[in-house]
Amino acid sequence: AQSVSQHNHHVILSEAASLELGCNYSYGGTVNLFWYVQYPGQHLQLLLKYFSGDPLVKGIKGFEAEFIKSKFSFNLRKPSVQWSDTAEYFCAVIAGGGADGLTFGKGTHLIIQP
Amino acid sequence: DAGVIQSPRHEVTEMGQEVTLRCKPISGHNSLFWYRQTMMRGLELLIYFNNNVPIDDSGMPEDRFSAKMPNASFSTLKIQPSEPRDSAVYFCASSLMNSPLHFGNGTRLTVT
Repeated sequence: AQSVSQHNHHVILSEAASLELGCNYSYGGTVNLFWYVQYPGQHLQLLLKYFSGDPLVKGIKGFEAEFIKSKFSFNLRKPSVQWSDTAEYFCAVIAGGGADGLTFGKGTHLIIQP
Repeated sequence: DAGVIQSPRHEVTEMGQEVTLRCKPISGHNSLFWYRQTMMRGLELLIYFNNNVPIDDSGMPEDRFSAKMPNASFSTLKIQPSEPRDSAVYFCASSLMNSPLHFGNGTRLTVT
């Protein structure tokens, strides 16, 4: 079974700082990868996803993620964060044929200080 | 902390049968969410409860779907009658208001 590991449970940054949130998965075959965001008091939203093709994926709100197959990683990045990026970020993976659905990481709580 | 517990892990049933999915949220959490995940539509929020009261069920696809939360430690999602297009993975998640979601491992439903 696949698993997803998010290294940082809590991240605190100042506005305009650059962001990188780590995500590693354990599965040797084909994967589809996702980043979801949950803003305070709201539901999950899809930030971006990778199915195939260009490993550098651009999502909404200036976020991007790079799929590095050799490292089993799908790190989320943003060059300059804003206070409104304060949220919980979840990495998720569908492995193989997707029979077991999404596997979520435990999430990273990002706090942006003005 | 046992986490969010969903049962069964896998369910295979025939079209027309009733299906009941179960969820035990983390103790102390006051919000509970049911999501459905398919390859075509991704992750969809079906319904969520706050303090055992259904707050938003606009994501429930049709009247065949119903959800209950009789107490703070248990919720069910029922499909009656089930159809093949209901085949998906159903996730339950819980949280304290405005805090991060904690997901269960999901129930993989196959309707033949």
